Amino acid sequence: EAAVTQSPRNKVAVTGGKVTLSCNQTNNHNNMYWYRQDTGHGLRLIHYSYGAGSTEKGDIPDGYKASRPSQENFSLILELATPSQTSVYFCASGPPGPYEQYFGPGTRLTVL
Amino acid sequence: QQQVRQSPQSLTVWEGETAILNCSYENSAFDYFPWYQQFPGEGPALLISILSVSDKKEDGRFTIFFNKREKKLSLHIADSQPGDSATYFCAASGNNNAPRFGAGTKLSVKP
Repeated sequence: EAAVTQSPRNKVAVTGGKVTLSCNQTNNHNNMYWYRQDTGHGLRLIHYSYGAGSTEKGDIPDGYKASRPSQENFSLILELATPSQTSVYFCASGPPGPYEQYFGPGTRLTVL
Repeated sequence: QQQVRQSPQSLTVWEGETAILNCSYENSAFDYFPWYQQFPGEGPALLISILSVSDKKEDGRFTIFFNKREKKLSLHIADSQPGDSATYFCAASGNNNAPRFGAGTKLSVKP
């Protein structure tokens, strides 16, 4: 069974603070992705990775960094959190090519 | 800019009716089009998908119709059930492009 887990599930941060969202997958998939979900925008791609040590910018990378230290782990880092980054963040993994993505349960982030 | 567009934003149908959800895309390099279903508080999960070499894909009550020339596709949910009430996302990927998603259609099925 495909498994993608995210931590924390909920997070309240202060403006200007640093936030790290973590994602772990046990699927042995090469590709991993971070999306944010906002009403009216659907899922927007922030960063993605093709394997350990690689990160690529998605469509809305400003204000976010990503780190892929291993095949299993992919982190999203907000160095200076802002209220506009309040959202639900989803991590996903998938094999290369035309195959489905497996999503985690999401992290609800509120920046005050 | 949104590479994948969906309509309508929300849709209400009666139980037993066919729900039709629409999707269009811009990038001709996209060749794989999955539809994901999402329930509140959960992550999206794959419902059905189609490759651009096909013009139709069926899986039970769910059917994708694909028009490559017009860059449009639609998801038909036949005999809609209250349990189908969810948000549906159209996605597109291909040619080493990471998958992009539409804004979603929120479907409500009334009993």
